[in-house]
Amino acid sequence: DTAVSQTPKYLVTQMGNDKSIKCEQNLGHDTMYWYKQDSKKFLKIMFSYNNKELIINETVPNRFSPKSPDKAHLNLHINSLELGDSAVYFCASSQDLIGGTEAFFGQGTRLTVV
Amino acid sequence: GDSVTQMEGPVTLSEEAFLTINCTYTATGYPSLFWYVQYPGEGLQLLLKATKADDKGSNKGFEATYRKETTSFHLEKGSVQVSDSAVYFCALVRQGAQKLVFGQGTRLTINP
Repeated sequence: DTAVSQTPKYLVTQMGNDKSIKCEQNLGHDTMYWYKQDSKKFLKIMFSYNNKELIINETVPNRFSPKSPDKAHLNLHINSLELGDSAVYFCASSQDLIGGTEAFFGQGTRLTVV
Repeated sequence: GDSVTQMEGPVTLSEEAFLTINCTYTATGYPSLFWYVQYPGEGLQLLLKATKADDKGSNKGFEATYRKETTSFHLEKGSVQVSDSAVYFCALVRQGAQKLVFGQGTRLTINP
């Protein structure tokens, strides 16, 4: 069983479209995250949710809107896609990160905006 | 703010060579330190971690020691294998924070 699963794995779309990426974790964790990995492999946090409540929003454009219907799911909706949004988006979860608890990552969604 | 700096890649070695990937950090207090590995086409996996000064994390022949005095967490392996080819990320979590801060990643290629 996949611990953190994202869909789709690949997403190619035109500029200006709206798209969503879904994420589910079956680990019973309270906290979920979205990270963005750019073309140079640099990883940066976008959002963090704890028990469906937003706790981190790292100066991400408001075209990006996370939604957490329950603590096992954290979806990412992107409006008016731009070329610069092309990246790999990783979902992750953890019980919490305090004290060095491990974060578990999904396989990533490669978004290409053309 | 918190930051992690890793040695520039890519790094290319021959099988059975000794590996060091340098990592230094900036953070207040005593962060927890991690090495994550990303194999081609996959998500990140925790390789090892250390949560306090002088702790040594180890896994799969890799080791890293939390050095508070030099704010470093260098990754080492005595004899690398082709299967170790991947991108390696050093990361930290500051005390009380709920986010991983990553270094820029180091791509490692091991040739047979």
